[in-house]
Amino acid sequence: SQQGEEDPQALSIQEGENATMNCSYKTSINNLQWYRQNSGRGLVHLILIRSNEREKHSGRLRVTLDTSKKSSSLLITASRAADTASYFCATESAGGYNKLIFGAGTRLAVHP
Amino acid sequence: DGGITQSPKYLFRKEGQNVTLSCEQNLNHDAMYWYRQDPGQGLRLIYYSQIVNDFQKGDIAEGYSVSREKKESFPLTVTSAQKNPTAFYLCATLDRSMSGANVLTFGAGSRLTVL
Repeated sequence: SQQGEEDPQALSIQEGENATMNCSYKTSINNLQWYRQNSGRGLVHLILIRSNEREKHSGRLRVTLDTSKKSSSLLITASRAADTASYFCATESAGGYNKLIFGAGTRLAVHP
Repeated sequence: DGGITQSPKYLFRKEGQNVTLSCEQNLNHDAMYWYRQDPGQGLRLIYYSQIVNDFQKGDIAEGYSVSREKKESFPLTVTSAQKNPTAFYLCATLDRSMSGANVLTFGAGSRLTVL
């Protein structure tokens, strides 16, 4: 079952612009995480936000969480060509027994 | 990719054959996972194991089997009963180092193509 749904499915921007991706989910969660995947590779963990947090920063990444709307957003500021990848949100449901459920991802293309 | 080795990276199989994908980790993590990824889609959970000699079915376990005889190893067998096995398979381990939150570390993946 897919818990998270990312929006948009694909995003194309120029270097230096900001990229915003959104994730919606359905059930109560312990935390929400964002992962990055370069083409043909495994996923890499980027950032985690807990259900009692509203915003978190890590370098050029900013994540927000709105538990009342069951949604999260990932903002990448001052994007670079190297940010080109797919980005996935993953949720750990409350009582989820160590299971993370992934969305379908947003494909980000950053053009030089 | 973070101490997780998946092999082979590419695998071709004829219809009706079973194949086994290897996943080995040196991270000393207890829990291990297998996900399947189809083109342009997210990850779907096949099987997971929280401890040696124990494993649970995920959302799409039909046509797959696993074993967990050693902490370091969690091989996945794709059987002939799996109707559409062509996909990218990802193995992951669970790290609870972030103050009790579950974070996954992934291998580089194995791409299986059925001819």
